[in-house]
Amino acid sequence: QSVLTQPPSASGTPGQGVTVSCSGSSSNIGSNTVNWYQLLPGTAPKLLIYRNNQRPLGVPDRFSGSKSGTSASLAITGLQSEDEADYYCAAWDDSLNGPVFGGGTKLTVL
Amino acid sequence: QLQLQESGPGLVKSSETLSLTCTISGGSISSSTYSWGWIRQTPGKGLEWIGNIYYNGATYYNPSLNSRVTISADTSKNQFSLKLRSVTAADTAIYYCSYLVGAATTDYWGQGTLVTVSS
Repeated sequence: QSVLTQPPSASGTPGQGVTVSCSGSSSNIGSNTVNWYQLLPGTAPKLLIYRNNQRPLGVPDRFSGSKSGTSASLAITGLQSEDEADYYCAAWDDSLNGPVFGGGTKLTVL
Repeated sequence: QLQLQESGPGLVKSSETLSLTCTISGGSISSSTYSWGWIRQTPGKGLEWIGNIYYNGATYYNPSLNSRVTISADTSKNQFSLKLRSVTAADTAIYYCSYLVGAATTDYWGQGTLVTVSS
C-alpha cells in the first residue's frame, strides 16, 4: 500500500482533459512540494511537474499541477494518444526522511 | 550535466544478496548536501523508495525494507551502492539510482536496471 493515494485508472478521449488526484498527509504533501512523473515501458520516470506546478524544460504546457493542503492534482488538457502512460505523484516525507510515492494512475486515451 | 548509471547482476538467487552500484558523472557525491538514493519499480507496487545516503554518510531507509538494506558510498570512485539481503521473488524489480527526488527542484534518475530473483 502506497503512502500517497491515487486513483488506479483514468481515461479520456483525444482532445479532452483529465485530472489525476493525489492525497497524502501532513508529513508529506502537507509540508513539502509535489512532483509528478510519467512512466512509459522501458524508460526511466520522466519528471512532468516539480514544486507543485513547475514544468521542466520540454514538458508541454498541456500538463499542469496544483496543490492544496494535503492533496495535489495533475491536469492534462488536449489529450493525445502519446499521453497514455502511468502517472505517479511524489513528495518528500519528513517522518521517513525520503520520498514517498502514489500507487500510480494508468491513463487510457480512448 | 549530471548522469547516473546503475550496474550489477541482473539475476540473483532467492535468499541471496542483491548488490548494485551507481556511478555518478558530471557531479560529485561529496559536494552536495542533498541525498542520493535508490528507488525501485515493481509491477505490483509501482515506485517504491528504498533508501538515501547523504554526503556525510548518513543513511535513511524505507521501514518496510530497513532490516535488509544497506546503502554505502565510495567517494574515491564517486559511487554509491545498494545491498539488499535475503531477497525473494517480491524483490524482482527495476532498480533506479537517483538524486534530488523529492526535493523542490528537477531531479535525476539512472536508466534503471532490471533485477530478477530466481528460485
